[in-house]
Amino acid sequence: DTEVTQTPKHLVMGMTNKKSLKCEQHMGHRAMYWYKQKAKKPPELMFVYSYEKLSINESVPSRFSPECPNSSLLNLHLHALQPEDSALYLCASSQGTGGETQYFGPGTRLLVL
Amino acid sequence: AQSVAQPEDQVNVAEGNPLTVKCTYSVSGNPYLFWYVQYPNRGLQFLLKYITGDNLVKGSYGFEAEFNKSQTSFHLKKPSALVSDSALYFCAVRDLGRGGGADGLTFGKGTHLIIQP
Repeated sequence: DTEVTQTPKHLVMGMTNKKSLKCEQHMGHRAMYWYKQKAKKPPELMFVYSYEKLSINESVPSRFSPECPNSSLLNLHLHALQPEDSALYLCASSQGTGGETQYFGPGTRLLVL
Repeated sequence: AQSVAQPEDQVNVAEGNPLTVKCTYSVSGNPYLFWYVQYPNRGLQFLLKYITGDNLVKGSYGFEAEFNKSQTSFHLKKPSALVSDSALYFCAVRDLGRGGGADGLTFGKGTHLIIQP
């Protein structure tokens, strides 16, 4: 089983709202990732967690706040977003940290009004 | 910095014909290369990867890819295309040891593959 689940599938929020995206995997993977994909563009890395510790932050604005409460769960907290933050947010996980395959969830389609 | 390039925005192939989606890479050291497919409004599905070993890598759904070090290429191929193969295909390379832990992927711009009945 290589399933990564993400909730919600769709999210509409105003610029003053606070919301959270959730990602879950039960494959025992120790690395988890957030990517952002704008329309007609490739995914771009935002954050990497290795063994529940934040290891990479790709200079993402502080209005995006990741959290890894345990090895199976990854959250992305959103606050005061801008319309240009509207995108598909993809979560992925991999077994370890040595270049193993990353398995992606279906994504959360976010619209910021 | 690690990078991959996909020179074609779109590839059109008749059903039943062989298909090739091109990817070239630029890396420091040994490349870790991946192919993913994305259907509309969906996440990415892993097809195959090259880390080391045989230059011909076999993957899911009948796809394969050939790693060519001299041409720095990693083209995706399939002997006989199906209409259901129509999708957006991404080549990707592992970023190189920046975080002290896991590394992200850097993706090419993507190639739309259209299989005509």
